[in-house]
Amino acid sequence: AQSVTQPDIHITVSEGASLELRCNYSYGATPYLFWYVQSPGQGLQLLLKYFSGDTLVQGIKGFEAEFKRSQSSFNLRKPSVHWSDAAEYFCAVSPMWGNTPLVFGKGTRLSVIA
Amino acid sequence: GAVVSQHPSWVICKSGTSVKIECRSLDFQATTMFWYRQFPKQSLMLMATSNEGSKATYEQGVEKDKFLINHASLTLSTLTVTSAHPEDSSFYICSARSGLAGGPATYNEQFFGPGTRLTVL
Repeated sequence: AQSVTQPDIHITVSEGASLELRCNYSYGATPYLFWYVQSPGQGLQLLLKYFSGDTLVQGIKGFEAEFKRSQSSFNLRKPSVHWSDAAEYFCAVSPMWGNTPLVFGKGTRLSVIA
Repeated sequence: GAVVSQHPSWVICKSGTSVKIECRSLDFQATTMFWYRQFPKQSLMLMATSNEGSKATYEQGVEKDKFLINHASLTLSTLTVTSAHPEDSSFYICSARSGLAGGPATYNEQFFGPGTRLTVL
């Protein structure tokens, strides 16, 4: 069965500092990988996704993520965090084909301090 | 891009009443829709998978008689919370999966609605 682990429940960074949110997945084959962001009381917004090809994926809002097959990881990064980035971040995995839903990690809450 | 809407965005109701939440795919046909529930500060919990024209498949522990799901068309799925109680208060999010017409790269991608906040008094 697929599973997603986000080891960090809560991370606090200073505005302007770099950010890395960790995500590890367990799946028998190469899955589709996603990062979503959720602001309080809001729905999910897709930041980026990986299907195939270049393992470094660029997303919206200056985020990027790197797929590392050997480590079963898909970590999210941003070189300089803005206060508006404070939110909940979810990593998710899905098989490439079939009718199964996304499997989400438990999320990482990001706080940004001045 | 693919847009999914939900209506209403928030609803307050009295205990014992039923509430219907609509999920629509606005610019694509969705053969499959998913309903999630999210408690405060927690991740999304899958409630059920809804396929157009057939009965929904519920996850273990989800009461199918309490959470009625109907997927009558390729663009609309509804979730009805019957005889709602305060413990049903939550954030409900739907998602829709694009069909094969989207091409292999998007065949399995899910697009999420903005969510519905349900508060039962």
